[in-house]
Amino acid sequence: IAGITQAPTSQILAAGRRMTLRCTQDMRHNAMYWYRQDLGLGLRLIHYSNTAGTTGKGEVPDGYSVSRANTDDFPLTLASAVPSQTSVYFCASSDSGSWDTQYFGPGTRLTVL
Amino acid sequence: GQNIDQPTEMTATEGAIVQINCTYQTSGFNGLFWYQQHAGEAPTFLSYNVLDGLEEKGRFSSFLSRSKGYSYLLLKELQMKDSASYLCAVLESNYQLIWGAGTKLIIKP
Repeated sequence: IAGITQAPTSQILAAGRRMTLRCTQDMRHNAMYWYRQDLGLGLRLIHYSNTAGTTGKGEVPDGYSVSRANTDDFPLTLASAVPSQTSVYFCASSDSGSWDTQYFGPGTRLTVL
Repeated sequence: GQNIDQPTEMTATEGAIVQINCTYQTSGFNGLFWYQQHAGEAPTFLSYNVLDGLEEKGRFSSFLSRSKGYSYLLLKELQMKDSASYLCAVLESNYQLIWGAGTKLIIKP
């Protein structure tokens, strides 16, 4: 059982390029989340999805988009990357919602130059 | 506004006890989580408190006082593998989860 996987592990990207971070879970969890983690700051929610077919904006959604076509996959797209999007990105899932334990993927370290 | 405060860094000795505090000011309260995050890894769940009092789970215990907006994580019999960051997160009344910046715990032999 893999749990929750993310790809790529790390990426260096030129500013202005489009990038999709992939996230897949095999726990059949309804809710999924994308966070960014920056030094000295807490995890900040970018987007979330309470169930397949629905998505919502978190605290810092600008410059990012998500889709949830099925239960397992929750990709995060940066339409036109900027240096301020340099961060570590974590995908997470939980059984029902934010009141449940969240299980995190290993993270994607993204550098935008 | 929303605010969660944790010490940035703490140092403790192997075999000792350490208490990591978390104070919060949030829009309502539906529970408080503690997660552990080793350097370069993902956060993993430690505990969840929704009622006042102490909950013990092996070497780790978590305490909550809702009236004081305060929680602590107590780690006993510290081991080197406990060196990690400890993240406090509060579930607000609208079920938004607000995360603290984390406390980096350094264990010395």
